[in-house]
Amino acid sequence: KAGVTQTPRYLIKTRGQQVTLSCSPISGHRSVSWYQQTPGQGLQFLFEYFSETQRNKGNFPGRFSGRQFSNSRSEMNVSTLELGDSALYLCASSLGWGFNTEAFFGQGTRLTVV
Amino acid sequence: DQQVKQNSPSLSVQEGRISILNCDYTNSMFDYFLWYKKYPAEGPTFLISISSIKDKNEDGRFTVFLNKSAKHLSLHIVPSQPGDSAVYFCAASASAGGTSYGKLTFGQGTILTVHP
Repeated sequence: KAGVTQTPRYLIKTRGQQVTLSCSPISGHRSVSWYQQTPGQGLQFLFEYFSETQRNKGNFPGRFSGRQFSNSRSEMNVSTLELGDSALYLCASSLGWGFNTEAFFGQGTRLTVV
Repeated sequence: DQQVKQNSPSLSVQEGRISILNCDYTNSMFDYFLWYKKYPAEGPTFLISISSIKDKNEDGRFTVFLNKSAKHLSLHIVPSQPGDSAVYFCAASASAGGTSYGKLTFGQGTILTVHP
């Protein structure tokens, strides 16, 4: 079955702009989580959506937001981009219910803010 | 406050030998642990996981050991192959009400290099 799909793979944006990233989870998975990876901070949890509701949130400013649609696809939005937002943004999908459920990651979106 | 720590930034091993990657955690609420392998500019690939009710889980060349009292887990790769060269991340999650939430806390990663 198809894996986690993230689009686009690469983005270059200017400071102050906003950006929207998309994630299509594995079929049947209802949980989508977003992570930011930077060289200095490693993999940091942004937020998790389950059944169109935000279920968990990490320690990121309000400029980072997301949503999930009824088909479990998710989007992440970053407004008023800063240079420090340059990172690899990863989306992970999992069943979202039950114990011991693995998260499977997409290829990521490489965002560069100039 | 780093709740999951991988204290070795890198590890170099000869092909055919054992690779042992270590991970420590501080949050006693963590009850599910995972190891991921990652290549640059790609998403992490799931390798193996272990629940806190077990102390060992094996899958082919990969074995994960969990020592709850020490809050320590390790990944053993035997035998190591050059294709195993990558960054390895351990991750932990805490369940609530019998559900594993999709929030993983990652360590900083260990770069494994397997020499032919």
